[in-house]
Amino acid sequence: AAGVIQSPRHLIKEKRETATLKCYPIPRHDTVYWYQQGPGQDPQFLISFYEKMQSDKGSIPDRFSAQQFSDYHSELNMSSLELGDSALYFCASSATNGYGYTFGSGTRLTVV
Amino acid sequence: SQQGEEDPQALSIQEGENATMNCSYKTSINNLQWYRQNSGRGLVHLILIRSNEREKHSGRLRVTLDTSKKSSSLLITASRAADTASYFCATGKGNQFYFGTGTSLTVIP
Repeated sequence: AAGVIQSPRHLIKEKRETATLKCYPIPRHDTVYWYQQGPGQDPQFLISFYEKMQSDKGSIPDRFSAQQFSDYHSELNMSSLELGDSALYFCASSATNGYGYTFGSGTRLTVV
Repeated sequence: SQQGEEDPQALSIQEGENATMNCSYKTSINNLQWYRQNSGRGLVHLILIRSNEREKHSGRLRVTLDTSKKSSSLLITASRAADTASYFCATGKGNQFYFGTGTSLTVIP
């Protein structure tokens, strides 16, 4: 069965650069969530989208933005990258009447 | 914050023993979920228990929920070395959910 696809798997950027992470949810899933997990830390909710509209916002820095497109895939854009942005970024998707949430394998971002 | 907190933070057991992890949360929830994460890998959904349920089973997993105490437990029976991972509880209400700090489980062969 198709899972949540995230790309790229790994990304190395320099400070002050911009990064774009992509997430392709499970077909027919209408909600996408983004999480950030720093080294040795629990995942922190960043932002979510339902039917292409932002539905909830967590601890997402102003330097980050995200959107969900007509095909339901989502992109997380991060600008003016800082060393502290180095983390594993997870995307999850769910269906309104679904059961639980399915996570992608994550994108490991390293800022040097 | 609705954030769940697990205890213990780390647990080491022998293969074949049972492992019990607990999670406490602060506010009302619609459901509580348990996830597993192998080191540096993605989060895998294990089980969801709704706020009106008290116990749920899935294979070697048993989850309990006590909404009066705002706590949940995850029991893994007859543990295997492959169960070595971090286990997180996540509490959900509305359109987002929050993860706890996780329990790092090591099963020694």
